[in-house]
Amino acid sequence: DTGVSQNPRHKITKRGQNVTFRCDPISEHNRLYWYRQTLGQGPEFLTYFQNEAQLEKSRLLSDRFSAERPKGSFSTLEIQRTEQGDSAMYLCASSPWGGGPTDTQYFGPGTRLTVL
Amino acid sequence: AQSVTQLGSHVSVSEGALVLLRCNYSSSVPPYLFWYVQYPNQGLQLLLKYTSAATLVKGINGFEAEFKKSETSFHLTKPSAHMSDAAEYFCAVSEPGGSYIPTFGRGTSLIVHP
Repeated sequence: DTGVSQNPRHKITKRGQNVTFRCDPISEHNRLYWYRQTLGQGPEFLTYFQNEAQLEKSRLLSDRFSAERPKGSFSTLEIQRTEQGDSAMYLCASSPWGGGPTDTQYFGPGTRLTVL
Repeated sequence: AQSVTQLGSHVSVSEGALVLLRCNYSSSVPPYLFWYVQYPNQGLQLLLKYTSAATLVKGINGFEAEFKKSETSFHLTKPSAHMSDAAEYFCAVSEPGGSYIPTFGRGTSLIVHP
């Protein structure tokens, strides 16, 4: 069990460029979550997957944001046409089963995005 | 809709002193409540959670929290602060019966002075 990993850890991009982040969950974890965290705020939920199915995506911030988990293992979060307001830490978490009181989310270290 | 309020963006204590981090929640149903800790350049780590069993919940690193329905509170305490406790602490709430997606508070930065 190596924990949740995220790559890259840091990304600097110019406004208008597309960026993609990768999250590798703990092996065999069914659920995978994406959050955004801005300075001085708690994590803000974006979307989540149960295996390869994306069960909630209405909280994605705009149609420039999209996420995939094609084989139910790793996931990618893409932001198209980045804006300076997208600068934030993007967190990924995974949990071992389908939710409930005993389920625990394990967080990765995050990807820090800076849009110039 | 569920929400949490963390009173105080920064709390400063001396090493060995009592730690008290405040969290009040709002929920339309009996909630599940969580405390997470985030050390610099690391992901969030679960400290403890309340899921409608015992109202006094013990977590890792000597932390505990008490669910008080009448006060809609879930304050985090530790009898004696260590320098290594300096970190950002987040309270979160989720509502059972749905997707269990937690809503996080804004966080409280704990500063420990020698």
